[in-house]
Parts: sequence; structure tokens; C-alpha cells
Amino acid sequence: ETGVTQTPRHLVMGMTNKKSLKCEQHLGHNAMYWYKQSAKKPLELMFVYNFKEQTENNSVPSRFSPECPNSSHLFLHLHTLQPEDSALYLCASSQSTGGEIQETQYFGPGTRLLVL
Amino acid sequence: ELKVEQNPLFLSMQEGKNYTIYCNYSTTSDRLYWYRQDPGKSLESLFVLLSNGAVKQEGRLMASLDTKARLSTLHITAAVHDLSATYFCAVDISFQGGSEKLVFGKGTKLTVNP
Repeated sequence: ETGVTQTPRHLVMGMTNKKSLKCEQHLGHNAMYWYKQSAKKPLELMFVYNFKEQTENNSVPSRFSPECPNSSHLFLHLHTLQPEDSALYLCASSQSTGGEIQETQYFGPGTRLLVL
Repeated sequence: ELKVEQNPLFLSMQEGKNYTIYCNYSTTSDRLYWYRQDPGKSLESLFVLLSNGAVKQEGRLMASLDTKARLSTLHITAAVHDLSATYFCAVDISFQGGSEKLVFGKGTKLTVNP
């Protein structure tokens, strides 16, 4: 596998379910991101992990819970979601050098989530 | 609140024609990115613009950045059907020493007709 991979690619869940999205990057990067892409809205940053530490939580509801066990893996744990949470969830990674000029972010293929 | 506005949001053009997509943003930043997204696919990085006056070209696409005007342009020359996609600009609003934080525009859906 190369680049940024995400599983599953498609997910349908009920509002009472608990599921997790997985992201893995094979680029040696040290920063990882979760984004939400809804229809008719701009891509929204949800969480940022830099050197495995969460550095950004963009006012995301607590029903979304991120986990970054190491610099290559990122999870998004989902529970008691709402239908309006249906969207494409994209993971990205980049090389962060602590404020210096940074490389572009590389995106995974996304997980298409439908909440019923 | 930072706003990143792209226009047009929808663009239908004929093959062989030229056109420009505009990206305006409302706060100071000297880093701007352009991405391409094909239907059902993820985002692909096109250009990274890191300073005022930066200009980059790849094939039929050329991007520029004017940080004083807070404006970036993506110029399409002699469009071909393969360029049909949605194009996003993203402004980097990282704080010094912090993680990269991108704010995206809504995207411009480009359709190139034969």
C-alpha cells in the first residue's frame, strides 16, 4: 500500500451503533488530519494530530472521538451519530516541522458514511 | 472568521478555451494550496504557493498568488475534457509553531465540453 489509505470505504450505520473509521499513512509523515466533506459545504477540518498529540479540535461534537496511537495510524470512533453526520470523511497526512514551511497534505480516498 | 471564497462555483466551458478561477480569502496568509477532486475520488494536490507573487504551472494549469490582494487564481489554458473535476483552493492559517490548518473554499466544479 502506498500513500494514505482509509477503511472502510463505505459505511451505513444506525443512530445507536458504534463504529470506527481507520486511516493509515505510508509516507513517513508526522501529522494527520480528519476532515468532513458534506454536500454543498466546504471541506471542514475536524481534528489535527501532530507528533501523535491532538493539536486541534475544531468544535467537533463529542459523538466523534479521534485516536492516534502512532504517527502512521489515525482512527475516528463514532457513536450515537445523527443523520446530518452523513458525509464523506477524509483523512490526510503531512510532514510538520513545527512552524517551518510545510509540505502539502496528502489525502486518503475517504469513507462515505450514511447514518440512518 | 476566515472566509475563503471561490468563483465561479460552477464553470462549463468548451475544449480549447481559456478561463480563470478565482480564490479570495479574508485573512493574512502566505500559503495557499490548490487541489483537484474527481467525482467519488479523494483530493489530489496540484499546487503549493508559498509566497507573494508565486506562480506555478503544470500542463494547462497555472496558479498564482497575490498575498497583498489576498487573491489566488487558477488559469486554464486550452481546456481539454480530462480537466473536468472540482477544484478547491485552501488557505493555510497555521499559527507559528502550530500544526498546519487549512480552510477550504467551496470548490469550483469545472465541466469541459467537446
